[in-house]
Amino acid sequence: LAKTTQPISMDSYEGQEVNITCSHNNIATNDYITWYQQFPSQGPRFIIQGYKTKVTNEVASLFIPADRKSSTLSLPRVSLSDTAVYYCLVGTLTGGGNKLTFGTGTQLKVEL
Amino acid sequence: DVKVTQSSRYLVKRTGEKVFLECVQDMDHENMFWYRQDPGLGLRLIYFSYDVKMKEKGDIPEGYSVSREKKERFSLILESASTNQTSMYLCASRPLRLRASLSGANVLTFGAGSRLTVL
Repeated sequence: LAKTTQPISMDSYEGQEVNITCSHNNIATNDYITWYQQFPSQGPRFIIQGYKTKVTNEVASLFIPADRKSSTLSLPRVSLSDTAVYYCLVGTLTGGGNKLTFGTGTQLKVEL
Repeated sequence: DVKVTQSSRYLVKRTGEKVFLECVQDMDHENMFWYRQDPGLGLRLIYFSYDVKMKEKGDIPEGYSVSREKKERFSLILESASTNQTSMYLCASRPLRLRASLSGANVLTFGAGSRLTVL
């Protein structure tokens, strides 16, 4: 099972681009990388998912190098409302019995 | 949209009480999970289930048990609550077979959480 490591916290200002990196050195061939966002008193919610190279949606971009041992979530032009905890999760998309384990997450604080 | 409902948002129990946390999902998902979340420790997996009556231990199963009698319902049980089980508990579900999706339609979907305080 791929263990993930992220920075505990990051600070930023409104309008800046924020990049949060997750290390997953023992990622398996069938594993995908998924990022979640969590606000206080809520469950985590999906942001973006990828397997390799770059993926972009309306919220964020996800950069995955060729060796796939890390991934970087990029949030363009953050606002105060992006203050949240961000988790990366590495796991397969198929089958049951999958022990999906999260890391400690990164607390992002955005200030004016 | 997939909906995962946790029956109690806030509970206060006393040490030694038996506690049931209920989770129901409405999208016929095979896999269901229970996590607890504590400051500085992130989300830790307690138990998961990939089918009715099937269960697997997660990373911190001690002091907990689970029940999956129906596909849509996954219950977390604290046989004898202790103060160190004061935490936020999160239930999640996902289908058995997934497709990679930019929209995240087939990833883990979480409930809003149940905050348990054991006095």
